[in-house]
Amino acid sequence: KAGVTQTPRYLIKTRGQQVTLSCSPISGHRSVSWYQQTPGQGLQFLFEYFSETQRNKGNFPGRFSGRQFSNSRSEMNVSTLELGDSAHYLCASSTQGTANTEAFFGQGTRLTVV
Amino acid sequence: GIQVEQSPPDLILQEGANSTLRCNFSDSVNNLQWFHQNPWGQLINLFYIPSGTKQNGRLSATTVATERYSLLYISSSQTTDSGVYFCAVIRGSTLGRLYFGRGTQLTVWP
Repeated sequence: KAGVTQTPRYLIKTRGQQVTLSCSPISGHRSVSWYQQTPGQGLQFLFEYFSETQRNKGNFPGRFSGRQFSNSRSEMNVSTLELGDSAHYLCASSTQGTANTEAFFGQGTRLTVV
Repeated sequence: GIQVEQSPPDLILQEGANSTLRCNFSDSVNNLQWFHQNPWGQLINLFYIPSGTKQNGRLSATTVATERYSLLYISSSQTTDSGVYFCAVIRGSTLGRLYFGRGTQLTVWP
């Protein structure tokens, strides 16, 4: 069974540009959540999608958005990139996203904003 | 939100030594997971343990939910155990969201 797949693995963007990251969950998993990891802030929750609906959102500006498709694949978009958006972005999938379901992570996308 | 604290923040061991990593959380939780972040940045699942004790080879974990803590034991450490260990908790009221600690950076020397 394939794991969680994130693309691309590495990305370099210029300040002011926008970026789209992709996450394909484990087959059968309907919940996808996104996290930002930085040395200063650790792992911070961005948002979670289940059956194409955003159920939960962290404390990030509106420049960060996401969506989920009918096949459960999810994309995350960051518009008007800032230097501080440089981070490791991780997505996780689980069957239901509830407390009694285990989350599995992809390898992440390392975004550098210059 | 819930606060998750891990200790120690850094741990340096010689190969063969045993270690205990701790995770405290500030409120009741419905589940807890332990992860190891590998050199490529992926979070590898170690344990999914809302309560009780589980063992997997040289690793074992215990969660005492009523006292709001979990412990990860690593026995006979190997250099490949090096990396950052995270615990994360989930509450039933916040769907799809894991609350992470800051991690324990483990370095095992040969």
